[in-house]
Amino acid sequence: QVQMVESGGGVVHPGTSLRLSCAASGFTFSSFGLHWVRQAPGKGLEWVAGISADGGKTSYADSLKGRFTITRDNSKEMLYLQMNSLRVDDTAVYFCAKVTWAQYFDFWGQGALVTVSS
Amino acid sequence: QSALTQPASVSGSPGQSIIISCTGTSSDVGTYNLVSWYQQHPGKAPRLIIFEVNGRPSGVSNRFSGSKSGNTASLTISGLQAEDEADYYCCSYAGSGPSFVFGPGTRVSV
Repeated sequence: QVQMVESGGGVVHPGTSLRLSCAASGFTFSSFGLHWVRQAPGKGLEWVAGISADGGKTSYADSLKGRFTITRDNSKEMLYLQMNSLRVDDTAVYFCAKVTWAQYFDFWGQGALVTVSS
Repeated sequence: QSALTQPASVSGSPGQSIIISCTGTSSDVGTYNLVSWYQQHPGKAPRLIIFEVNGRPSGVSNRFSGSKSGNTASLTISGLQAEDEADYYCCSYAGSGPSFVFGPGTRVSV
């Protein structure tokens, strides 16, 4: 069955960097786009970034202003999110999610908590 | 990438039907039949319950149904059950990128 497991979350200071990872299994990894969606404490879901199946195309939420970078390694079946210049309002649970050809998220990880605090 | 609009909360009694609206714009909901809905219980990951406006994944109860008219999509939960108490989020494809936009979520109380 499909499994997606995030890791790399933690507590960091404002202005620092952090890289999240997502290990996926149970499907043909290199055939599907992958995304990151975050959820601030007590708030709703927010789409963060996406990457195409071959990694050649990426997209980001306008609000991130170039601070985040999404990448993938199809040989390792891993998805990454490099987060730079972290701000207090980046505090959230970050979910990785698999997207189908029909543009919906059919499988989600359990989430990784990132806390940005001084 | 403006967020979609949903009511903050909807409540109903067991056995009743409720409708959750999701209003977007001509750049997302109004243009694409690519609206999906997710159910989220506290502390859990979101779960897909409706895709492509009115598609239902296997394993999802047929008490959940979706529709769309113009810039507004809707989720109907019929025969409301206690287990339906959760947060519900709509999501729309918003153009090549690809990019997506979510609604703020609706808390359903039974």
